[in-house]
Amino acid sequence: KAGVTQTPRYLIKTRGQQVTLSCSPISGHRSVSWYQQTPGQGLQFLFEYFSETQRNKGNFPGRFSGRQFSNSRSEMNVSTLELGDSALYLCASSSPLNTEAFFGQGTRLTVV
Amino acid sequence: QQQVKQSPQSLIVQKGGISIINCAYENTAFDYFPWYQQFPGKGPALLIAIRPDVSEKKEGRFTISFNKSAKQFSLHIMDSQPGDSATYFCAARGNTDKLIFGTGTRLQVFP
Repeated sequence: KAGVTQTPRYLIKTRGQQVTLSCSPISGHRSVSWYQQTPGQGLQFLFEYFSETQRNKGNFPGRFSGRQFSNSRSEMNVSTLELGDSALYLCASSSPLNTEAFFGQGTRLTVV
Repeated sequence: QQQVKQSPQSLIVQKGGISIINCAYENTAFDYFPWYQQFPGKGPALLIAIRPDVSEKKEGRFTISFNKSAKQFSLHIMDSQPGDSATYFCAARGNTDKLIFGTGTRLQVFP
């Protein structure tokens, strides 16, 4: 069974640009959550999607947005990038019947 | 009230020793407490998890101890091995899929 797949693995962007990250959950999993990991703030929850609907949202500015498609794949978008957005962005998926959340390897975003 | 406090920040253990990492929470609505292991360049991997209706759960060399009245839980790694060297995160979750993570413990196991 394939795990959570995140693409791309690495990204370098310039301040002011926007970026889109992709996450393919484990087959059969309908819940996808996104987290930001930085050395200073640790792992912080961004948002969670279930059946194409955002169910929860963390304390991030509106520049951070996401969506989920009918096949449960999810994308996360960050607009007007700032240097502080440099981080490892992690996606996790879980099934409706199981509380376990499985993480992908993440996308390392560097903003220069 | 949403915080999960984790200690120590770093831990050095000799091979064969016991590694102990502690976490504390405030929100009594939390009902699921997983531990994740993360190696450099990788995403967190679920190690073991517990619900508050049991006081202990063991899987191989890894044991979670849970104290509901004290709102504390801990991870014990028995017979620690150099391959266990990683960063460990405790987490907590309530009635949503949102995980609240501790700040992480960097474990180093020396031969």
